[in-house]
Amino acid sequence: AQSVTQLDSQVPVFEEAPVELRCNYSSSVSVYLFWYVQYPNQGLQLLLKYLSGSTLVESINGFEAEFNKSQTSFHLRKPSVHISDTAEYFCAVSERQGGSEKLVFGKGTKLTVNP
Amino acid sequence: GAGVSQTPSNKVTEKGKYVELRCDPISGHTALYWYRQSLGQGPEFLIYFQGTGAADDSGLPNDRFFAVRPEGSVSTLKIQRTERGDSAMYLCASSLTYLDTQYFGPGTRLTVL
Repeated sequence: AQSVTQLDSQVPVFEEAPVELRCNYSSSVSVYLFWYVQYPNQGLQLLLKYLSGSTLVESINGFEAEFNKSQTSFHLRKPSVHISDTAEYFCAVSERQGGSEKLVFGKGTKLTVNP
Repeated sequence: GAGVSQTPSNKVTEKGKYVELRCDPISGHTALYWYRQSLGQGPEFLIYFQGTGAADDSGLPNDRFFAVRPEGSVSTLKIQRTERGDSAMYLCASSLTYLDTQYFGPGTRLTVL
């Protein structure tokens, strides 16, 4: 079974500072990776995904993540955060077996952006 | 268009009672998933439907949990003889087909007293 480790449960940063949210996965098969974001009192929203091709993927609001196969990582980065980025971020890997697909999530990282 | 909707948004029940949680997927989405999110944890897979059939129910914790999707659209998660440990946020997601991006609903927060 696959697993996902998010190394930091909480990350406080100041506005306009860079941020990195770390994610490591374990998988012995083809890897499909996702970052979901959960804003306060809202549902999970897909932020970005890696399925194949370029190892660097970007979101529309300035986040990016890089798939690193040798380090089994998929860290999320943003060069300059805004107050509105305050949310909980979940890394997930897709587990596909026998005609089924399920997402295996990490425990989440709470990003708090302070003024 | 409309996203995934779930009703009720909150459900409070007493230990031992039966509850039903409803999920309306995005129109046209054939794949539907249920997840459970306990406090401080990420979502955990419960069951996956492709059309009307449960293609994978390996995540259901025990036989008190059951889900149906009789017409391949709306799904209902049913929990019998609820226990306090069942308290969690129950999330539903749908995707256009198998292997497509999963879109999540806002969830139903279940509290068992």
